[in-house]
Amino acid sequence: GQSLEQPSEVTAVEGAIVQINCTYQTSGFYGLSWYQQHDGGAPTFLSYNGLDGLEETGRFSSFLSRSDSYGYLLLQELQMKDSASYFCARSGNTPLVFGKGTRLSVIA
Amino acid sequence: EAQVTQNPRYLITVTGKKLTVTCSQNMNHEYMSWYRQDPGLGLRQIYYSMNVEVTDKGDVPEGYKVSRKEKRNFPLILESPSPNQTSLYFCASSKGTGGSNEQFFGPGTRLTVL
Repeated sequence: GQSLEQPSEVTAVEGAIVQINCTYQTSGFYGLSWYQQHDGGAPTFLSYNGLDGLEETGRFSSFLSRSDSYGYLLLQELQMKDSASYFCARSGNTPLVFGKGTRLSVIA
Repeated sequence: EAQVTQNPRYLITVTGKKLTVTCSQNMNHEYMSWYRQDPGLGLRQIYYSMNVEVTDKGDVPEGYKVSRKEKRNFPLILESPSPNQTSLYFCASSKGTGGSNEQFFGPGTRLTVL
């Protein structure tokens, strides 16, 4: 199977840190990507993990553990503009497969 | 500017009336794909193309056709649209499919079939 599991909704306070988890099925797995989508917009690429460990890009970091078939997106110093949907996506020996997305709401 | 364009952006049509949604990319990408997005279901792949004249079914291909006669264009064809094809459609392209190949998405086409 190719499916990915991520929480459907997360709410966090402005300035805080939030972690969005993603578990995936391992068959033919190459790596895990993260995409952001604001309401009314198109998904945009945030990060990719092909190896275990943490990848940092500014306020956003992404982590992968192949042994646990698990990854997460970490958003720090949350801002209101971070309110969006976040999708994990697995690349592998089949075309990219997306999770159903996590809707993040940042509140004041 | 590197981009993926889709047309039309919005379309309301009636059941059975054939329509085509165009998709074009200017990045010389080999891989292109179509997704539909429905509430609670995320992005589901309809068809994809690894290169010119090579297309394959994704997860939800029923009721759709595609063609890839040129590298830059990947139109989505609905021969006989039905109301269950009402959705938000995205075209995307990337250099390839392995590794960190970032997918670039078009702005989306919101289709309503009455």
